[in-house]
Amino acid sequence: GAVVSQHPSWVICKSGTSVKIECRSLDFQATTMFWYRQFPKQSLMLMATSNEGSKATYEQGVEKDKFLINHASLTLSTLTVTSAHPEDSSFYICSASPGTTTGELFFGEGSRLTVL
Amino acid sequence: DAKTTQPNSMESNEEEPVHLPCNHSTISGTDYIHWYRQLPSQGPEYVIHGLTSNVNNRMASLAIAEDRKSSTLILHRATLRDAAVYYCILRNAGTALIFGKGTTLSVSS
Repeated sequence: GAVVSQHPSWVICKSGTSVKIECRSLDFQATTMFWYRQFPKQSLMLMATSNEGSKATYEQGVEKDKFLINHASLTLSTLTVTSAHPEDSSFYICSASPGTTTGELFFGEGSRLTVL
Repeated sequence: DAKTTQPNSMESNEEEPVHLPCNHSTISGTDYIHWYRQLPSQGPEYVIHGLTSNVNNRMASLAIAEDRKSSTLILHRATLRDAAVYYCILRNAGTALIFGKGTTLSVSS
């Protein structure tokens, strides 16, 4: 099946620094990618929809200036957590679909962020 | 968004079939029924999806009620590697998947 890759798999940073997470579709082009975060023992929460060449659409309650999303090409979307704080520590996951709008979505392996 | 209702947890024995139920009484005509599963510390994995007819693939089968208000994911022979959280999600064209709490499946040897 199609492959979505995230990098890094895990990152530890100091409070106040910024962290960038990359999401790549390795064998297909993705006009739209989705970003989720997941806290321990909870379900995935949709953060934003990333559209190639345009601004991302954020879900209610998600700070767009805190979580910067860039979708500069059809195979790459990035999520930058700016001025990270311990409460931003979470598991961040991206997903994308290779084609049909009603078909399956493929997910990255996830990126675990720990802010000290 | 149309919502789904799943049991919080289910248990199974290895090599036995597992039927995971999902209720979606407010499903619309354009909603596809998707199933994903997630192992600890991993991203979700696609399992199967369908619209009206039952579907089979190498991983599982999806049985959809005639009125589409419920569906059942069938794992024909559970293995220890099938222990995961299973999510039943309705997806309309182009939209993101909105995850509920899912069903935690435990498999015993």
